[in-house]
Amino acid sequence: GENVEQHPSTLSVQEGDSAVIKCTYSDSASNYFPWYKQELGKGPQLIIDIRSNVGEKKDQRIAVTLNKTAKHFSLHITETQPEDSAVYFCAASMGTGGGNKLTFGTGTQLKVEL
Amino acid sequence: GAVVSQHPSWVICKSGTSVKIECRSLDFQATTMFWYRQFPKQSLMLMATSNEGSKATYEQGVEKDKFLINHASLTLSTLTVTSAHPEDSSFYICSARFPGQGAFFGQGTRLTVV
Repeated sequence: GENVEQHPSTLSVQEGDSAVIKCTYSDSASNYFPWYKQELGKGPQLIIDIRSNVGEKKDQRIAVTLNKTAKHFSLHITETQPEDSAVYFCAASMGTGGGNKLTFGTGTQLKVEL
Repeated sequence: GAVVSQHPSWVICKSGTSVKIECRSLDFQATTMFWYRQFPKQSLMLMATSNEGSKATYEQGVEKDKFLINHASLTLSTLTVTSAHPEDSSFYICSARFPGQGAFFGQGTRLTVV
């Protein structure tokens, strides 16, 4: 089955700096890669996703890049703010159908310091 | 984005009793929903896939008689933790995938068994 590795497990940045979180996946058949933000005591919230036919996607301060050959994808957050502090999870799946399971990375605790 | 509602957000029960958690897709029909369990500072662990009108598919190591799943309609799946024990205390989260999009998660349910 699919295996997703995520690094780093913790990341501390100064407000205004950029943060990068990296994930690798094992199954070349995976073609959908979402990123989730989870605040304490809440369910994960989808923040951005990318499909395998695209190399990069951007949404305001958040961007995701995908390297299919190397089987890795990254989340980039620019101009970080304190409210960006949370746990971030990457995930991978084969397809976006309703029954396609997501395999999650181990999570990154991001702390944005003032 | 699509909305998934989970209820209750927290519950405390006595050891030996059963607890039911509801997961509703509010603005779309979900033939498949997923149930996860999350321990503190850990990733989401898929417990089972809930299929509307048929039996749930459980992940390896998850006791189907302990965690009863019912998906009686296209907008509602329930997870019942039967004969709960303190080791069942955890954060339970459901999700549903809107076709062509990512998975959307409920708010999570904090179960504490005393």
